[in-house]
Amino acid sequence: DSGVTQTPKHLITATGQRVTLRCSPRSGDLSVYWYQQSLDQGLQFLIQYYNGEERAKGNILERFSAQQFPDLHSELNLSSLELGDSALYFCASSVGDRGRDVEAFFGQGTRLTVV
Amino acid sequence: DAKTTQPPSMDCAEGRAANLPCNHSTISGNEYVYWYRQIHSQGPQYIIHGLKNNETNEMASLIITEDRKSSTLILPHATLRDTAVYYCIAGGEYGNKLVFGAGTILRVKS
Repeated sequence: DSGVTQTPKHLITATGQRVTLRCSPRSGDLSVYWYQQSLDQGLQFLIQYYNGEERAKGNILERFSAQQFPDLHSELNLSSLELGDSALYFCASSVGDRGRDVEAFFGQGTRLTVV
Repeated sequence: DAKTTQPPSMDCAEGRAANLPCNHSTISGNEYVYWYRQIHSQGPQYIIHGLKNNETNEMASLIITEDRKSSTLILPHATLRDTAVYYCIAGGEYGNKLVFGAGTILRVKS
């Protein structure tokens, strides 16, 4: 158990819909990362937050957005869903945002299926 | 972020040491080398990281060359449960994205 909690574990939804994925980081971790892993692709970095502020951005679609709340949990919002958005979405957390503090612990992921 | 290059796959006999190489020739002075692994579709698992010196923990050893352009992850006594995709990442500077490449598929065989 990494200490990072992601909910829900599974999600099935229709095209065009909007969903919210939730991540609770390990106690004491200030940094949260979101990744997408499709069947035919590796882990794609989406976005990173540190203590409520956006720290780094990857290839995140405009239909996707995220935020980190004062209690440090984070949510990833996916809207206007397409079949191609079906993937595993991982959240990770680390103590800090640089150097040795970027030892990230991953949750077990949310499997999103768009039908 | 410094780019890393890893072999796509490797085989290792159970009980033997698994040596996984990684090239990161463009790594900057402040960037760390991190190793993670992913078993099936589970969340990636942190293994070890280092800056300049060699590092060892209960899971593995990390050997970094003096010029820091490459490193080797060593699993001293590989077991079947070590079969996974191993990722080498160079990063950790401010705003670093902790980007995963394609990794190395390690197959441990009995």
